[in-house]
Amino acid sequence: KQEVTQIPAALSVPEGENLVLNCSFTDSAIYNLQWFRQDPGKGLTSLLLIQSSQREQTSGRLNASLDKSSGRSTLYIAASQPGDSATYLCAVTDQTGANNLFFGTGTRLTVIP
Amino acid sequence: NAGVTQTPKFRVLKTGQSMTLLCAQDMNHEYMYWYRQDPGMGLRLIHYSVGEGTTAKGEVPDGYNVSRLKKQNFLLGLESAAPSQTSVYFCASTSGKGTQYFGPGTRLTVL
Repeated sequence: KQEVTQIPAALSVPEGENLVLNCSFTDSAIYNLQWFRQDPGKGLTSLLLIQSSQREQTSGRLNASLDKSSGRSTLYIAASQPGDSATYLCAVTDQTGANNLFFGTGTRLTVIP
Repeated sequence: NAGVTQTPKFRVLKTGQSMTLLCAQDMNHEYMYWYRQDPGMGLRLIHYSVGEGTTAKGEVPDGYNVSRLKKQNFLLGLESAAPSQTSVYFCASTSGKGTQYFGPGTRLTVL
């Protein structure tokens, strides 16, 4: 069974800092990996999707990398802002064809003004 | 374009009562999913559907039933609610090739 782990569970940084969130998964047979953002009491918003054949994806101040063979992904946030405060979730899709997602428990990020 | 919508947003049930959660998507997606989110557990898959008229069990299906009679709708039923089913329920959909799109969630409390 796929297990997804996210470290750290919580992180506080001052505004303007660059930061890295980590995600690891136990089974490298994935179809893709997604990073989501979840604000308190809200649903999930997809930030980046990396196909298994790709190494990284970028969107604005966000950059996600994928090392499938070692079972690791990182989400890099540049020049953090208070509006980035949220919980960030990593999820991998299996290769069964059903596109089922396996989630980590998330990293709760607080950016201090 | 509404994306994925969920009804209701909040619900309180007594143990043993039944209810149905409705998920609707307007993106013509084939795949739809029901997840539950509990503190410290992350999101876990309850049931999913790979097309109209099909359903399958996920990681935590016990106590739930689903139906996908129309492509745009995916219903999650609780026949006899238990306090252990207190959770936030999320519906999601995808075309199968990329991003999963999530609804805003239903917060369910079972007393």
